Amino acid sequence: GEDVEQSLFLSVREGDSSVINCTYTDSSSTYLYWYKQEPGAGLQLLTYIFSNMDMKQDQRLTVLLNKKDKHLSLRIADTQTGDSAIYFCAETRPSGNTPLVFGKGTRLSVIA
Amino acid sequence: NAGVMQNPRHLVRRRGQEARLRCSPMKGHSHVYWYRQLPEEGLKFMVYLQKENIIDESGMPKERFSAEFPKEGPSILRIQQVVRGDSAAYFCASSPQGALNEKLFFGSGTQLSVL
Repeated sequence: GEDVEQSLFLSVREGDSSVINCTYTDSSSTYLYWYKQEPGAGLQLLTYIFSNMDMKQDQRLTVLLNKKDKHLSLRIADTQTGDSAIYFCAETRPSGNTPLVFGKGTRLSVIA
Repeated sequence: NAGVMQNPRHLVRRRGQEARLRCSPMKGHSHVYWYRQLPEEGLKFMVYLQKENIIDESGMPKERFSAEFPKEGPSILRIQQVVRGDSAAYFCASSPQGALNEKLFFGSGTQLSVL
């Protein structure tokens, strides 16, 4: 398909780990991104991974990339209430001019 | 260094009116991208502009929508004769050189409501 796919909702308890999954479409994508959108705000770049990597860790965030399955995941350790937001997966598509193609976003709700 | 600035934050228009959305990119950035976010949807690419040039407008509706990025001043997304279906959040992003692998920096968006 043409779309970047994400599950729409995820609910976790404060202190647990959250795992947000994404499947993308273009095997030639060179960068894959995770953006965070808090209510009423724009998109904040959280982290990104280059396609020749399979893992990237940045403090509480771990990104895993499975190129064979075109699967990307974002793990948030020790999830806090401030992590409640919508998380967007995005891919570059070198074959076109469109800089980033986004999924529909996963709404993460953190229960205290 | 101010981020990407969009104004207004909220814009209310009646059907048939015109909407003008403004975007000032980050300092030093000459590439601007407009995205639209419909309720419960992801961001859909609309148009990519460099100073005084439209690079890619493949995501723009063919009628009523236009965009510009003049040599001086902000980028403008203009929607003529708005309809209810135009109600959405419109986000602008900028990058320094327009390379496909560059990170995009987003503004806070303009929420357009059409009554």
